[in-house]
Amino acid sequence: NAGVTQTPKFQVLKTGQSMTLQCAQDMNHEYMSWYRQDPGMGLRLIHYSVGAGITDQGEVPNGYNVSRSTTEDFPLRLLSAAPSQTSVYFCASSYFGLAGDSNEQFFGPGTRLTVL
Amino acid sequence: SQQGEEDPQALSIQEGENATMNCSYKTSINNLQWYRQNSGRGLVHLILIRSNEREKHSGRLRVTLDTSKKSSSLLITASRAADTASYFCASRGSSASKIIFGSGTRLSIRP
Repeated sequence: NAGVTQTPKFQVLKTGQSMTLQCAQDMNHEYMSWYRQDPGMGLRLIHYSVGAGITDQGEVPNGYNVSRSTTEDFPLRLLSAAPSQTSVYFCASSYFGLAGDSNEQFFGPGTRLTVL
Repeated sequence: SQQGEEDPQALSIQEGENATMNCSYKTSINNLQWYRQNSGRGLVHLILIRSNEREKHSGRLRVTLDTSKKSSSLLITASRAADTASYFCASRGSSASKIIFGSGTRLSIRP
């Protein structure tokens, strides 16, 4: 299993450009999420999904869109990049059980994004 | 603001000593998890404790959960240089499916 993969690893954008960060998992996990981590800070939840066709907002959703057309993929779109979106972006996935079991999240290696 | 706040923000101890980190959260939870992040790397899951559990062990790790105080602690015993990392708690609310992270504790182990 490849686990959680993210592409690209690094990206530099100019203000106003748009782009999509890719995330894929091969563990058949229902739950997928996107976090951003600013230097010296914790992770803040951007968007998450509990299954194909279902997405919801996290703590800091503004400026980002997501979709979940398949169980495996959960792309994150930056609509019009701003310098405040310079950060490291992590994608994660886990099983999702109502009983709360098996919620261990598996993380991708991250995408380091710089917006000039 | 984040669901979890961690204390202390930074901790430096001598190798062989025990390290204790605390996490507080705001709403009732389904479970609480602890993760480790080495500098510049992704996060690795350490341990999960459910809301109906009070204590859990895994190797040199001991996690406690006090739902009445909305707090958890992570104890690392007999610390090693390789334990140097940032440690984060993450909670899943009982009425929500999202998992929210705390602000983290940076742990440094001095040789």
